[in-house]
Amino acid sequence: DGGITQSPKYLFRKEGQNVTLSCEQNLNHDAMYWYRQDPGQGLRLIYYSHIVNDFQKGDIAEGYSVSREKKESFPLTVTSAQKNPTAFYLCASSIQAVRERGNQPQHFGDGTRLSIL
Amino acid sequence: AQSVTQLDSHVSVSEGTPVLLRCNYSSSYSPSLFWYVQHPNKGLQLLLKYTSAATLVKGINGFEAEFKKSETSFHLTKPSAHMSDAAEYFCVVSGGGYSTLTFGKGTMLLVSP
Repeated sequence: DGGITQSPKYLFRKEGQNVTLSCEQNLNHDAMYWYRQDPGQGLRLIYYSHIVNDFQKGDIAEGYSVSREKKESFPLTVTSAQKNPTAFYLCASSIQAVRERGNQPQHFGDGTRLSIL
Repeated sequence: AQSVTQLDSHVSVSEGTPVLLRCNYSSSYSPSLFWYVQHPNKGLQLLLKYTSAATLVKGINGFEAEFKKSETSFHLTKPSAHMSDAAEYFCVVSGGGYSTLTFGKGTMLLVSP
């Protein structure tokens, strides 16, 4: 079955440490997204990518970095510059990264919960 | 610019009674609208979507929503709640073209026996 796989499910970060969250999709989708979810805040967009080797900052990109070297993969690095990283992180993907993108629903992985040690 | 407001942070119903989750939106363009459901520690699952076709949209698990342009609303309803409907629900707007999705802050649906 096609879908989005996020790993690990739980992750712990020490002070001053960078950590990388994995997101892989086998849906052949062009676009991929990273969101941060905090209680009562809904989802906030961190980064998104419409095509390989290209990505854009979302609303809360500070302290995060991404890469898009393969269509199937969109890893997110939470750097030590992100002072409040504790959250639930969700990866999503959608088809048609151009023009009709706004009309297409996004498919979500099951998330990674990041906590500070 | 686009925004979405979910009018209730929590809604409590009894099993077998109707469900109404309220959502108002604003968008500079003809919007696409979605409802997603999230169970604890899981990702979001698409319930239904409106993309300028019929104004009454039917989704999965007996849910439906009506797009009302004059009221800028997209409320989610279900005639009879089931215990398995207990979850958090998100209303989402997309302004079309090259815009990204904007999520509401969510409504937690509690279903009691």
